[in-house]
Amino acid sequence: GAVVSQHPSRVICKSGTSVKIECRSLDFQATTMFWYRQFPKQSLMLMATSNEGSKATYEQGVEKDKFLINHASLTLSTLTVTSAHPEDSSFYICSATPGALYEQYFGPGTRLTVT
Amino acid sequence: AQSVTQPDIHITVSEGASLELRCNYSYGATPYLFWYVQSPGQGLQLLLKYFSGDTLVQGIKGFEAEFKRSQSSFNLRKPSVHWSDAAEYFCAVVSSSNTGKLIFGQGTTLQVKP
Repeated sequence: GAVVSQHPSRVICKSGTSVKIECRSLDFQATTMFWYRQFPKQSLMLMATSNEGSKATYEQGVEKDKFLINHASLTLSTLTVTSAHPEDSSFYICSATPGALYEQYFGPGTRLTVT
Repeated sequence: AQSVTQPDIHITVSEGASLELRCNYSYGATPYLFWYVQSPGQGLQLLLKYFSGDTLVQGIKGFEAEFKRSQSSFNLRKPSVHWSDAAEYFCAVVSSSNTGKLIFGQGTTLQVKP
């Protein structure tokens, strides 16, 4: 149980375009989902916390107009990278919690490459 | 501020040898501590967690970790490493049970020699 999926697993886009990443909890309802970013050989950095039906809470330094997060249902959150640039290339990982906020289950990640 | 330190960036052990990955944390209250493993290009899998109670916790894949409050440590151990254990290991602490925000250490890359 407690499976989280992400789609797509890999995406390549041109600079200036937008790309949407989906995070789904497959076998549980997730009132809260988290979005992380991981640079090569580095740790995960929390970008934002997404709550179903309300605006996401962004971490300091994360541009909310660039990284649009929508949590429209209890099983789906989306991250849209708008006007992507090469420096946005990274590994994006989501997590979801079925209950206690500290019990997070992670998705497999999405590799974004902006050319 | 809460923080997590994993002093070893890279560790190499021989298959069958024992393993200990170090983790030190800085946190004012009783911490919620986690160890995750990440295979290349994959998400994170929870190995084990400590919230309270017995300070020696057992996890999946034969891993265990011991919480030592006096040393602010939560080291991960395995008595006999398998080649499939080669991966990146992250220690993490929840900064606030109200927000669920996880603070991760820098990670330790484990290489297993045949």
